[in-house]
Amino acid sequence: DTGVSQNPRHKITKRGQNVTFRCDPISEHNRLYWYRQTLGQGPEFLTYFQNEAQLEKSRLLSDRFSAERPKGSFSTLEIQRTEQGDSAMYLCASSLMMATNTEAFFGQGTRLTVV
Amino acid sequence: DAKTTQPPSMDCAEGRAANLPCNHSTISGNEYVYWYRQIHSQGPQYIIHGLKNNETNEMASLIITEDRKSSTLILPHATLRDTAVYYCIVRVYNTDKLIFGTGTRLQVFP
Repeated sequence: DTGVSQNPRHKITKRGQNVTFRCDPISEHNRLYWYRQTLGQGPEFLTYFQNEAQLEKSRLLSDRFSAERPKGSFSTLEIQRTEQGDSAMYLCASSLMMATNTEAFFGQGTRLTVV
Repeated sequence: DAKTTQPPSMDCAEGRAANLPCNHSTISGNEYVYWYRQIHSQGPQYIIHGLKNNETNEMASLIITEDRKSSTLILPHATLRDTAVYYCIVRVYNTDKLIFGTGTRLQVFP
């Protein structure tokens, strides 16, 4: 297992287009997270899944954003009608839910540029 | 909002210990302190975490004060490859959600 994988690594799209990103977590990890990071800022939490259930969504996740994890394995993040403000790095992380503590492993991210 | 405050930047000479401070005065009793770092254009990398006791692993040591209101990450022998942004994070209990602040940009110089 090579860790959390995100595709594509880079995406340039025109304003108004829809984009979809994919995240493949570490295989036995049941929790999956999406974060967004803009230049000079730390990552901001967007949403997370436990298996296929989406348990929490940040208020940052507008109606144009939707995330799925249909079989509790890979996840997709779709942005509809992209805006220039959506330009950011989108990071995925996964972890194995344990009773007390565990670390989340991050992918390399998908950098979105909306022109 | 982030529950931690860190200095925006620090310098460290190569081979010396880098001590990165973090304040988390509103931390709850069941919340862990995590440290991640992010090298330019890469995803954050886990370093270490702790609850009450000091912790050490192959990368770093974590010193948590007795009142748990602050902590220090120690890189014992900093190298140029340790140049990165270091994030001190309080992990929200029962969700594993990480709330990042703006971190400390550590510059290791020769």
